Amino acid sequence: EAQVTQNPRYLITVTGKKLTVTCSQNMNHEYMSWYRQDPGLGLRQIYYSMNVEVTDKGDVPEGYKVSRKEKRNFPLILESPSPNQTSLYFCASSSTPSGRSGEQYFGPGTRLTVT
Amino acid sequence: RKEVEQDPGPFNVPEGATVAFNCTYSNSASQSFFWYRQDCRKEPKLLMSVYSSGNEDGRFTAQLNRASQYISLLIRDSKLSDSATYLCVVNQNMNRDDKIIFGKGTRLHILP
Repeated sequence: EAQVTQNPRYLITVTGKKLTVTCSQNMNHEYMSWYRQDPGLGLRQIYYSMNVEVTDKGDVPEGYKVSRKEKRNFPLILESPSPNQTSLYFCASSSTPSGRSGEQYFGPGTRLTVT
Repeated sequence: RKEVEQDPGPFNVPEGATVAFNCTYSNSASQSFFWYRQDCRKEPKLLMSVYSSGNEDGRFTAQLNRASQYISLLIRDSKLSDSATYLCVVNQNMNRDDKIIFGKGTRLHILP
């Protein structure tokens, strides 16, 4: 089954404690991205990756890091989480940047709370 | 003007009615357009692409008006299961890089 998986699905942590949210896709997609979704603000792109070892900042990259060492995995790293990073996070993948293929496949989301 | 703008709703519509949403976009160079559906606390999923000539998928019809820079989604004979948030998505091809812009979504409640 084609899918994007994220772990953990729910996480409550404290300010400053480094965390990683994993994302993996089994569709051999080149393009992957991370979004956060907040009430009233919609989906905002954090980082994206066009291929292995190629990453770029999205609209709200501050406080986040990513890596793309393998095609299937695109982890999101919060080196020192802060309460304003409390949000719902989605990983997505597509065969192209969606401008041409159309469909982005989203993971089920990770609800992060930073206290 | 915001890059992609939608009426947030909520739209409360009786079952069986027809409902339409519009979405406006600011960049005239935008190339691709989509509607996604997002159920409460779930991930967004592609509902349909929007083609220049307009396209239909069952009870759903999508249209694009490039001159006025808006896209629309029409749902006929609405079902309770259509209750969701509908996201307008625009792809802008800027400097040879694609930039995907999501609208904030329109909430739809179908009432029994």
